[in-house]
Amino acid sequence: DGGITQSPKYLFRKEGQNVTLSCEQNLNHDAMYWYRQDPGQGLRLIYYSQIVNDFQKGDIAEGYSVSREKKESFPLTVTSAQKNPTAFYLCASSNGGRTEAFFGQGTRLTVV
Amino acid sequence: KQEVTQIPAALSVPEGENLVLNCSFTDSAIYNLQWFRQDPGKGLTSLLLIQSSQREQTSGRLNASLDKSSGRSTLYIAASQPGDSATYLCAVGAFKAAGNKLTFGGGTRVLVKP
Repeated sequence: DGGITQSPKYLFRKEGQNVTLSCEQNLNHDAMYWYRQDPGQGLRLIYYSQIVNDFQKGDIAEGYSVSREKKESFPLTVTSAQKNPTAFYLCASSNGGRTEAFFGQGTRLTVV
Repeated sequence: KQEVTQIPAALSVPEGENLVLNCSFTDSAIYNLQWFRQDPGKGLTSLLLIQSSQREQTSGRLNASLDKSSGRSTLYIAASQPGDSATYLCAVGAFKAAGNKLTFGGGTRVLVKP
Protein backbone atom coordinates (compact mmCIF):
# COMPACT_ATOMS: atom_id res chain seq x y z
CA ASP A 1 0.00 0.00 0.00
CA GLY A 2 1.14 3.55 -0.73
CA GLY A 3 1.82 5.84 2.16
CA ILE A 4 4.28 7.61 4.42
CA THR A 5 6.28 5.81 7.08
CA GLN A 6 7.85 7.62 10.01
CA SER A 7 10.25 5.99 12.41
CA PRO A 8 10.75 5.58 15.23
CA LYS A 9 7.35 6.11 16.83
CA TYR A 10 8.96 7.20 20.11
CA LEU A 11 12.40 8.76 20.55
CA PHE A 12 14.27 9.91 23.61
CA ARG A 13 17.06 12.43 23.44
CA LYS A 14 19.64 13.34 26.02
CA GLU A 15 20.78 16.91 26.48
CA GLY A 16 23.37 17.90 23.86
CA GLN A 17 22.58 15.00 21.57
CA ASN A 18 21.59 15.13 17.91
CA VAL A 19 18.84 12.75 16.79
CA THR A 20 17.45 11.94 13.35
CA LEU A 21 13.82 11.22 12.50
CA SER A 22 13.11 9.15 9.43
CA CYS A 23 10.41 9.80 6.83
CA GLU A 24 9.90 7.60 3.75
CA GLN A 25 7.13 7.80 1.15
CA ASN A 26 6.20 5.53 -1.75
CA LEU A 27 3.55 7.82 -3.23
CA ASN A 28 5.90 9.25 -5.88
CA HIS A 29 5.24 12.73 -4.49
CA ASP A 30 7.68 15.52 -5.33
CA ALA A 31 7.10 17.63 -2.22
CA MET A 32 7.77 16.63 1.38
CA TYR A 33 7.28 18.54 4.62
CA TRP A 34 8.16 18.42 8.31
CA TYR A 35 5.79 19.85 10.92
CA ARG A 36 6.00 20.15 14.68
CA GLN A 37 2.94 19.87 16.93
CA ASP A 38 2.93 20.96 20.57
CA PRO A 39 0.16 19.90 22.98
CA GLY A 40 -3.18 21.51 22.19
CA GLN A 41 -1.76 23.43 19.24
CA GLY A 42 -1.87 23.28 15.48
CA LEU A 43 1.04 22.28 13.28
CA ARG A 44 4.01 24.55 12.53
CA LEU A 45 6.22 24.10 9.48
CA ILE A 46 9.90 23.30 10.08
CA TYR A 47 11.31 22.54 6.61
CA TYR A 48 9.98 21.61 3.20
CA SER A 49 11.36 20.28 -0.06
CA GLN A 50 9.75 20.55 -3.49
CA ILE A 51 12.37 18.55 -5.40
CA VAL A 52 15.37 16.34 -4.73
CA ASN A 53 18.48 18.14 -3.51
CA ASP A 54 16.54 21.28 -2.67
CA PHE A 55 14.80 22.38 0.53
CA GLN A 56 13.65 25.58 2.24
CA LYS A 57 13.21 26.73 5.82
CA GLY A 58 9.76 26.94 7.26
CA ASP A 59 8.58 29.07 10.13
CA ILE A 60 10.57 27.39 12.91
CA ALA A 61 13.74 25.99 11.27
CA GLU A 62 16.24 27.02 13.94
CA GLY A 63 17.87 24.01 15.59
CA TYR A 64 16.81 21.60 12.84
CA SER A 65 18.42 20.33 9.64
CA VAL A 66 17.21 18.21 6.71
CA SER A 67 18.45 16.52 3.56
CA ARG A 68 16.71 15.37 0.38
CA GLU A 69 19.05 13.02 -1.46
CA LYS A 70 16.27 10.75 -2.71
CA LYS A 71 12.72 11.49 -3.78
CA GLU A 72 11.38 8.96 -1.30
CA SER A 73 13.24 10.14 1.78
CA PHE A 74 13.31 13.36 3.83
CA PRO A 75 15.05 12.83 7.20
CA LEU A 76 14.95 15.49 9.92
CA THR A 77 17.81 16.01 12.39
CA VAL A 78 17.03 17.68 15.67
CA THR A 79 20.30 19.24 16.77
CA SER A 80 21.53 20.21 20.22
CA ALA A 81 20.85 23.83 19.23
CA GLN A 82 17.10 23.18 19.47
CA LYS A 83 16.41 24.23 23.04
CA ASN A 84 12.91 22.83 23.39
CA PRO A 85 12.69 19.75 21.16
CA THR A 86 10.03 17.83 23.08
CA ALA A 87 7.10 17.63 20.66
CA PHE A 88 5.21 15.47 18.19
CA TYR A 89 6.81 15.55 14.73
CA LEU A 90 4.81 14.89 11.58
CA CYS A 91 6.05 14.31 8.05
CA ALA A 92 3.85 14.92 5.00
CA SER A 93 4.04 14.65 1.23
CA SER A 94 2.03 16.01 -1.68
CA ASN A 95 2.10 16.32 -5.44
CA GLY A 96 1.86 20.07 -5.48
CA GLY A 97 -1.60 20.59 -4.07
CA ARG A 98 -3.41 18.99 -7.00
CA THR A 99 -4.51 16.25 -4.63
CA GLU A 100 -4.58 15.93 -0.88
CA ALA A 101 -1.49 15.95 1.31
CA PHE A 102 -0.72 12.73 3.17
CA PHE A 103 0.75 12.50 6.65
CA GLY A 104 2.74 9.89 8.49
CA GLN A 105 1.82 8.58 11.95
CA GLY A 106 4.30 10.84 13.69
CA THR A 107 7.32 10.57 15.99
CA ARG A 108 7.04 11.65 19.60
CA LEU A 109 10.38 13.09 20.76
CA THR A 110 11.11 13.53 24.45
CA VAL A 111 14.18 15.05 26.07
CA VAL A 112 15.39 13.08 29.10
CA LYS B 1 1.58 36.11 6.59
CA GLN B 2 -1.32 33.69 6.42
CA GLU B 3 -3.11 33.06 9.70
CA VAL B 4 -5.74 30.39 10.20
CA THR B 5 -8.21 30.35 13.08
CA GLN B 6 -10.63 27.67 14.20
CA ILE B 7 -13.45 28.47 16.57
CA PRO B 8 -14.56 26.93 18.85
CA ALA B 9 -11.50 25.17 20.23
CA ALA B 10 -13.72 22.44 21.67
CA LEU B 11 -17.24 21.21 21.03
CA SER B 12 -19.44 18.61 22.72
CA VAL B 13 -22.67 17.36 21.14
CA PRO B 14 -25.10 14.46 21.70
CA GLU B 15 -25.07 11.65 19.20
CA GLY B 16 -27.20 12.32 16.14
CA GLU B 17 -26.76 16.07 16.17
CA ASN B 18 -25.15 17.78 13.17
CA LEU B 19 -21.67 19.22 13.66
CA VAL B 20 -20.60 22.60 12.26
CA LEU B 21 -16.89 23.42 12.41
CA ASN B 22 -15.55 26.80 11.36
CA CYS B 23 -12.25 27.87 9.82
CA SER B 24 -11.19 31.40 8.89
CA PHE B 25 -8.06 32.64 7.13
CA THR B 26 -6.61 36.10 6.60
CA ASP B 27 -5.19 35.92 3.04
CA SER B 28 -7.65 34.94 0.31
CA ALA B 29 -4.86 34.12 -2.18
CA ILE B 30 -4.98 30.40 -1.49
CA TYR B 31 -4.39 27.39 -3.73
CA ASN B 32 -6.61 25.00 -1.80
CA LEU B 33 -8.01 24.21 1.63
CA GLN B 34 -7.94 20.84 3.30
CA TRP B 35 -9.76 19.41 6.31
CA PHE B 36 -8.07 16.76 8.44
CA ARG B 37 -9.01 14.53 11.34
CA GLN B 38 -6.53 13.67 14.11
CA ASP B 39 -7.07 11.00 16.75
CA PRO B 40 -5.06 11.26 20.00
CA GLY B 41 -1.39 10.47 19.47
CA LYS B 42 -1.88 9.76 15.77
CA GLY B 43 -1.09 11.40 12.47
CA LEU B 44 -3.51 13.35 10.32
CA THR B 45 -6.12 11.75 8.09
CA SER B 46 -7.32 13.79 5.13
CA LEU B 47 -11.10 14.28 5.00
CA LEU B 48 -11.76 16.72 2.18
CA LEU B 49 -9.74 18.86 -0.22
CA ILE B 50 -11.31 21.96 -1.80
CA GLN B 51 -9.48 23.64 -4.65
CA SER B 52 -9.62 27.44 -4.74
CA SER B 53 -11.95 27.36 -7.76
CA GLN B 54 -14.50 25.20 -5.94
CA ARG B 55 -17.25 26.20 -3.55
CA GLU B 56 -17.78 22.89 -1.78
CA GLN B 57 -16.84 19.23 -1.56
CA THR B 58 -18.83 16.30 -0.22
CA SER B 59 -17.89 12.85 0.99
CA GLY B 60 -20.52 10.72 2.68
CA ARG B 61 -21.75 12.54 5.80
CA LEU B 62 -19.13 15.26 5.36
CA ASN B 63 -19.58 18.50 3.45
CA ALA B 64 -17.10 21.36 3.32
CA SER B 65 -17.73 24.80 1.87
CA LEU B 66 -15.26 27.47 0.86
CA ASP B 67 -15.82 31.23 0.56
CA LYS B 68 -12.50 32.74 -0.46
CA SER B 69 -13.73 36.31 -0.55
CA SER B 70 -14.72 36.22 3.11
CA GLY B 71 -11.84 33.95 4.12
CA ARG B 72 -14.02 31.18 5.52
CA SER B 73 -14.58 27.46 5.29
CA THR B 74 -17.10 25.34 7.14
CA LEU B 75 -17.08 21.59 7.69
CA TYR B 76 -20.49 20.00 8.26
CA ILE B 77 -20.77 16.49 9.67
CA ALA B 78 -24.29 15.13 9.48
CA ALA B 79 -25.84 12.85 12.10
CA SER B 80 -22.77 12.70 14.34
CA GLN B 81 -21.63 9.40 15.88
CA PRO B 82 -19.34 8.67 18.87
CA GLY B 83 -16.70 7.54 16.35
CA ASP B 84 -16.57 11.12 15.04
CA SER B 85 -14.91 12.19 18.30
CA ALA B 86 -11.50 13.57 17.34
CA THR B 87 -9.69 16.83 16.66
CA TYR B 88 -10.48 18.44 13.31
CA LEU B 89 -7.89 20.65 11.66
CA CYS B 90 -8.20 22.90 8.65
CA ALA B 91 -5.19 23.86 6.57
CA VAL B 92 -4.82 26.46 3.86
CA GLY B 93 -2.55 25.59 0.93
CA ALA B 94 -0.23 28.13 -0.67
CA PHE B 95 0.61 28.33 -4.36
CA LYS B 96 3.50 26.36 -5.84
CA ALA B 97 5.78 29.43 -5.83
CA ALA B 98 5.38 29.40 -2.05
CA GLY B 99 6.04 25.68 -1.83
CA ASN B 100 2.41 24.55 -1.63
CA LYS B 101 2.88 24.89 2.12
CA LEU B 102 -0.03 24.16 4.42
CA THR B 103 -0.82 26.65 7.19
CA PHE B 104 -2.87 25.07 9.97
CA GLY B 105 -5.46 26.30 12.36
CA GLY B 106 -5.29 25.26 16.02
CA GLY B 107 -8.02 22.65 15.58
CA THR B 108 -11.44 21.97 17.08
CA ARG B 109 -11.66 19.08 19.55
CA VAL B 110 -15.00 17.32 19.13
CA LEU B 111 -16.69 14.98 21.59
CA VAL B 112 -19.84 13.16 20.49
CA LYS B 113 -21.67 11.74 23.51
CA PRO B 114 -23.67 8.52 23.15
